[in-house]
Amino acid sequence: KAGVTQTPRYLIKTRGQQVTLSCSPISGHRSVSWYQQTPGQGLQFLFEYFSETQRNKGNFPGRFSGRQFSNSRSEMNVSTLELGDSALYLCASRSFSGATNEKLFFGSGTQLSVL
Amino acid sequence: DQQVKQNSPSLSVQEGRISILNCDYTNSMFDYFLWYKKYPAEGPTFLISISSIKDKNEDGRFTVFLNKSAKHLSLHIVPSQPGDSAVYFCAAKDNYGQNFVFGPGTRLSVLP
Repeated sequence: KAGVTQTPRYLIKTRGQQVTLSCSPISGHRSVSWYQQTPGQGLQFLFEYFSETQRNKGNFPGRFSGRQFSNSRSEMNVSTLELGDSALYLCASRSFSGATNEKLFFGSGTQLSVL
Repeated sequence: DQQVKQNSPSLSVQEGRISILNCDYTNSMFDYFLWYKKYPAEGPTFLISISSIKDKNEDGRFTVFLNKSAKHLSLHIVPSQPGDSAVYFCAAKDNYGQNFVFGPGTRLSVLP
């Protein structure tokens, strides 16, 4: 079974631009979550999508948005990039079966650098 | 309001010795706890987990202990190896909202 796939792996943008990151979950997983990790920081939760609907959202400005398609693939968009948006963006998927022992599976991340 | 806390940002241990990473939580609705390991510029990988109905789970060199009354869990690595050097995240899942909450992480350095 293929793991969570994130593209691109690396991205360099300049301030004011916008960026779109892509995530393909594990086959059969219906939930996709996005996290931001900056140097020295933990995993900051951005949002979670399930069945094309945002079910949970973290404390990030409206410049950060996402969507999920009918095949469970998800995209995250950041508009009007700021220097502080430079980070590793991680996508995670899960089956959302309701089982107690459900786990999150992470992709390798997209390293975004804003110059 | 940090529901999952890892109060030690970093830990250094000699190779071959025991590493103990600690995690505290505040939400009594958490019913499943996980540890993830993360190398730089990579995504976290699942390491070991424990259900709230257990107090210990073991997998090779890794053992997780859960003390529900103290709302505390710990990860023991014995013996520690240089390849264990990474950031370890404690995570908890609540049985109501089905949400995962991560701690801030502990950077483990295993010295040869």
